[in-house]
Amino acid sequence: GAVVSQHPSRVICKSGTSVKIECRSLDFQATTMFWYRQFPKQSLMLMATSNEGSKATYEQGVEKDKFLINHASLTLSTLTVTSAHPEDSSFYICSALVAGGYNEQFFGPGTRLTVL
Amino acid sequence: QQQVKQSPQSLIVQKGGIPIINCAYENTAFDYFPWYQQFPGKGPALLIAIRPDVSEKKEGRFTISFNKSAKQFSLHIMDSQPGDSATYFCAARSGTDKLIFGTGTRLQVFP
Repeated sequence: GAVVSQHPSRVICKSGTSVKIECRSLDFQATTMFWYRQFPKQSLMLMATSNEGSKATYEQGVEKDKFLINHASLTLSTLTVTSAHPEDSSFYICSALVAGGYNEQFFGPGTRLTVL
Repeated sequence: QQQVKQSPQSLIVQKGGIPIINCAYENTAFDYFPWYQQFPGKGPALLIAIRPDVSEKKEGRFTISFNKSAKQFSLHIMDSQPGDSATYFCAARSGTDKLIFGTGTRLQVFP
């Protein structure tokens, strides 16, 4: 399957700081990427859909000014958690859509964010 | 309408057993049904997927059974191994819309 990477895999930051997470499609171009967050023992919750060259589409209840998404190229999308607070601590996972066929969606390995 | 109901929440089998995880949906516009496997601290990995024009798909030890009239689909893991212990998520999607995920099933396979 297609490979999606995320960086960093783990980040610890102080409350009030901003954190940027990168998502890259390594062996294919992705016009559409997705950002999820996952709490322990729960399912994936879609935060936003990121389309290359256009504004992200946020799910209801997700603050677009807090979770900034940029999809500047066909292989890179970034999620910036601005003014992070302890309640933002979570597992953030991106995925990328492989266009054609089944339009399969492949996930990155996730980023564990801990806000102190 | 957009929900995908998954059961059971957890499942324990012995090595060699055949765990079965079930999912049900309401939206008849769904036309893509993938299963993902997730290990602790990792992202989900696509295991197998099916479209509603077939009733069964097999890849290695993993089989999806699909019942269009009942709006149900299930994952069977043949000859399960301790390494299969993970959380499994079913999902569904219409066209290129977002994936709707089930709540997950935590599988434990004991030696």
